[in-house]
Amino acid sequence: TQLLEQSPQFLSIQEGENLTVYCNSSSVFSSLQWYRQEPGEGPVLLVTVVTGGEVKKLKRLTFQFGDARKDSSLHITAAQPGDTGLYLCAGLRAAGNKLTFGGGTRVLVKP
Amino acid sequence: DVKVTQSSRYLVKRTGEKVFLECVQDMDHENMFWYRQDPGLGLRLIYFSYDVKMKEKGDIPEGYSVSREKKERFSLILESASTNQTSMYLCASSALAGGTDTQYFGPGTRLTVL
Repeated sequence: TQLLEQSPQFLSIQEGENLTVYCNSSSVFSSLQWYRQEPGEGPVLLVTVVTGGEVKKLKRLTFQFGDARKDSSLHITAAQPGDTGLYLCAGLRAAGNKLTFGGGTRVLVKP
Repeated sequence: DVKVTQSSRYLVKRTGEKVFLECVQDMDHENMFWYRQDPGLGLRLIYFSYDVKMKEKGDIPEGYSVSREKKERFSLILESASTNQTSMYLCASSALAGGTDTQYFGPGTRLTVL
């Protein structure tokens, strides 16, 4: 059983559409990170959210950390083919110093 | 730029063989990590090291061991490879302890055990 559940597992959309990826848990995390991984490469950190209710924006990407610090979402506005990749959320458990990763959401943006 | 390199991109081994996966980082980072990545399961931590000669078990250490003799190098060892260890292996490093710090990943080694 995964501690962090991501949904959906796969998303295929047309260029210009919006999308949202969810990362949910029954556990509390002291912080949460989002990574993007492209084929043949390792994951690259996009953002870290630390405070419950925090919202961070990175150009067309908006990241939100839930008030209770158990969930997070990633919203992409007007998606472009360059947004294609595997998106991974990773939470730092409140009582530990290790990251727990979600299963990932594979996003395909078609031109 | 931080660079994390892994010794091989692809590796094919036979059941029972001893396998070494090497990882080198060039940013003088204290912490290094080994993960395996399987479809739908995300990344799972095998071992990590917060200093030379120091190591801690991650979530799935069974069947693996590690070695960190130098700060820049972290090796993952499969003493007797098995088919269920076929996977993508990712190495990462970070400057600070704790998950709020950025982890920098290598490109991965895709290991197939026949």
